[in-house]
Amino acid sequence: DAGITQSPRYKITETGRQVTLMCHQTWSHSYMFWYRQDLGHGLRLIYYSAAADITDKGEVPDGYVVSRSKTENFPLTLESATRSQTSVYFCASSRGASYNSPLHFGNGTRLTVT
Amino acid sequence: GESVGLHLPTLSVQEGDNSIINCAYSNSASDYFIWYKQESGKGPQFIIDIRSNMDKRQGQRVTVLLNKTVKHLSLQIAATQPGDSAVYFCAEGGAQKLVFGQGTRLTINP
Repeated sequence: DAGITQSPRYKITETGRQVTLMCHQTWSHSYMFWYRQDLGHGLRLIYYSAAADITDKGEVPDGYVVSRSKTENFPLTLESATRSQTSVYFCASSRGASYNSPLHFGNGTRLTVT
Repeated sequence: GESVGLHLPTLSVQEGDNSIINCAYSNSASDYFIWYKQESGKGPQFIIDIRSNMDKRQGQRVTVLLNKTVKHLSLQIAATQPGDSAVYFCAEGGAQKLVFGQGTRLTINP
């Protein structure tokens, strides 16, 4: 049971470059989420998706793009990376909406923008 | 505004003792509460949840208590083990939004 996997585990990129973080889940959960985790801010929601081809902005969406052509995949793209996007990124999935169903998280991607 | 906070940023307990991690919330309309455990280098792991129509829910070695009168949530871990060392987050769900607390770091003394 693979659950939810994120890749890469670590990524270093330069300011201005485009980078894509991958997320794959094997549970066929309807909902998927992207969070970033920073000291002093905790977990903040970037984007979420209620189903394939449906995405919505979260708390901090600026500078990020998502897509969900298949239920199991939810890639997150930084179109032009900035140093402020250095963070640990977590993908999560759930059967229902986040406010009434438990989220199941991947182990994260640590992104450094130089 | 709504917020989820923790009374203590760190908690240190003796191995074998019971641990109690506290959490305060401010949105009285929240009706779903969750505890997560996050070990170093890993993602948050779901521990237990509780809905607002309950006061108490038990899992394996863990109990969550909800006091809606004072808007307080607690996680009790029985017979704390070294593997329980982690950061514990509470989260509240309501108004179509999930809000996470900052976390409490639990350390176990041998």
